[in-house]
Amino acid sequence: GAGVSQTPSNKVTEKGKYVELRCDPISGHTALYWYRQSLGQGPEFLIYFQGTGAADDSGLPNDRFFAVRPEGSVSTLKIQRTERGDSAVYLCASSPGLAGAADTQYFGPGTRLTVL
Amino acid sequence: ILNVEQSPQSLHVQEGDSTNFTCSFPSSNFYALHWYRWETAKSPEALFVMTLNGDEKKKGRISATLNTKEGYSYLYIKGSQPEDSATYLCASPPYGGATNKLIFGTGTLLAVQP
Repeated sequence: GAGVSQTPSNKVTEKGKYVELRCDPISGHTALYWYRQSLGQGPEFLIYFQGTGAADDSGLPNDRFFAVRPEGSVSTLKIQRTERGDSAVYLCASSPGLAGAADTQYFGPGTRLTVL
Repeated sequence: ILNVEQSPQSLHVQEGDSTNFTCSFPSSNFYALHWYRWETAKSPEALFVMTLNGDEKKKGRISATLNTKEGYSYLYIKGSQPEDSATYLCASPPYGGATNKLIFGTGTLLAVQP
């Protein structure tokens, strides 16, 4: 079946602009996760949803970052007033939601965001 | 917060060599340990989720062991092939699994030369 998809695959923007990154999870997966990976680091957790609600948003770095999942499937990560430090690969993952923190998380290919 | 560490940072081996690397995590409040393989320009691929002390999992030439009492997991690759070249990541959820978020190590970059 189809895996997790993310669009766009690459996004170049200017400092101060607004960007939206989209994630389409595996059909039927109730949990959806956002991470970001900077050069030389492992993926860093941002937020995860169980259904439509944010179950843990403790990784969002500040109030410029916001994510939604209004119908419990597709999710959008929104970044306002982008800064050069926001440049990273933004990864989305989904999981069936059956085994809690032991659920296998299936990752998409990521969106590479570059802020000039 | 939970600190997950991996070693070595990178590894260069010849085709046919067997290799292993380490993931360390705090043994208190352990819930699960996840291993991923991430090839360049692809999605991270889930290899194993391990929860029980002494557990051993195998997928083809790759296997992993888990010691929750001392806080480490080993990943082994038998007879490395060039297609095994990737970054291998481990991750664990904090707070005894009270949240699904994963804390990742920085990864081990494996390069297998033909």
